[in-house]
Amino acid sequence: DVVMTQSPLSLPVTLGQPASISCRSSQSLVYSDGNTYLNWFQQRPGQSPRRLIYKISNRDSGVPDRFSGSGSGTDFTLKISRVEAEDVGVYYCMQGAHWPYTFGQGTKLEIK
Amino acid sequence: EVQLVESGGDSVQPGGSLRLSCSASGFTFSNYAMHWVRQAPGKGLEYVSAITSNGGSTYYADSVKGRLTISRDNSKNTLYLQMSSLRAEDTAMYYCVRNYGNYDYWGQGTLVTVSS
Repeated sequence: DVVMTQSPLSLPVTLGQPASISCRSSQSLVYSDGNTYLNWFQQRPGQSPRRLIYKISNRDSGVPDRFSGSGSGTDFTLKISRVEAEDVGVYYCMQGAHWPYTFGQGTKLEIK
Repeated sequence: EVQLVESGGDSVQPGGSLRLSCSASGFTFSNYAMHWVRQAPGKGLEYVSAITSNGGSTYYADSVKGRLTISRDNSKNTLYLQMSSLRAEDTAMYYCVRNYGNYDYWGQGTLVTVSS
C-alpha cells in the first residue's frame, strides 16, 4: 500500500497567520490518465470529513480561497494564507492513484 | 443537494453481526461508485470497502476481507455493508462516501461499537 506521511502532526497557529502542512507519498501519485490524485480533507471537531482540494490544487465548491494546494509527484503541500477560527480541526491528505486509497495520519490545527 | 445518510450502527458483542445502510439522494446514485470509510475513536481515516456503480465489482481492505460484504440496491438508492464476525478493532464510525474524483461527498457516519 502507498504510505502517506504528513508533517507536522500538530500545528498551533495564531489567528491571521499562515499555516502549511506537508504530505509525502511512498510512490508517485501520477495515474495512468496523467492526473495526480492527491486530495486534502478537513475534519472539524464532531463533524464528518469534507474534501477541500482535489488533484493537488483544485478547490471544491464553497472552499475559501485562503486554502491552496500545490506539489507534484510525491511531495505536496496544503497552505492556509490566513488562519481563521473556523479552520480548527484535523487535516488529512489522501491518495486516490493506487488501490487501496490511503490517508495520511492527520494534522491537528489549533489556535495558539 | 447531495445527501448520504447512514444508519444501522449499534453496540454488538464480539463475533456478532450488523448491517449498515446508506440512503442516497440528490444525485443519480446508479452512476457512481461508492465506498465505506471508517474512523476508530480518536484515530485517522481508513478505507474499508468499495463497489462499482452497477454493483458488478467489489473491493475490500485486507483487514475486513471475508467478514464484511458491500452491496447496493440502485432501485432504492441505498448502499449496504453487511458485517459479521465482528471484532473489537472494528469499533469505529463508518462513513458512506461517494467516489467521484476521490471522495467528494461524505455522510454523517454511523457508530459501530464491538464490546463484550
